[in-house]
Amino acid sequence: DAGVIQSPRHEVTEMGQEVTLRCKPISGHNSLFWYRQTMMRGLELLIYFNNNVPIDDSGMPEDRFSAKMPNASFSTLKIQPSEPRDSAVYFCASSRDTYTGELFFGEGSRLTVL
Amino acid sequence: GESVGLHLPTLSVQEGDNSIINCAYSNSASDYFIWYKQESGKGPQFIIDIRSNMDKRQGQRVTVLLNKTVKHLSLQIAATQPGDSAVYFCAETRRDSSYKLIFGSGTRLLVRP
Repeated sequence: DAGVIQSPRHEVTEMGQEVTLRCKPISGHNSLFWYRQTMMRGLELLIYFNNNVPIDDSGMPEDRFSAKMPNASFSTLKIQPSEPRDSAVYFCASSRDTYTGELFFGEGSRLTVL
Repeated sequence: GESVGLHLPTLSVQEGDNSIINCAYSNSASDYFIWYKQESGKGPQFIIDIRSNMDKRQGQRVTVLLNKTVKHLSLQIAATQPGDSAVYFCAETRRDSSYKLIFGSGTRLLVRP
């Protein structure tokens, strides 16, 4: 079975540019999570959706970050404008529902903002 | 999937030995705990979970122990293998936070051949 699919795997961009990260969750999973991982801050939850509805976006750093889930099989995380401090690995994860701790993570999108 | 690197505590064990990875959690209201494994270049992978009404749970070659009195969690890996080399994270959550997982900083396990 296909796992969580993220794209792009690597992105290098210049400060001020718009970045869009994409995620396809596992079919049948109702919850989707966006995490960011850095050396300094570890794994941080940015936002999560249940049944395509954003439930908690308290981890989104600031207005430059936005996330959407237009349908059950697709989500995007957008950064506009990007800054060097946004450089990190961004993970998407999905789970059957929000009442399990068994999240299935994608392989991540490594973002470098110059 | 680069894990937290510079200041990760590291546990080095001989292949075949048992490993014990520890985790202290801070929120006494947390009632659900999970261990994840992250190999280099990959996303975290679920290993095992435990709810606060239990103090021990066993899986295949892994055991999780929960001590709520001192807010401590441990992951025991039996007969450690080279493929167990990874960074291990504990995560906690509680029902009133809609099961929002909070991850710890991680421990790197190195298995010596």
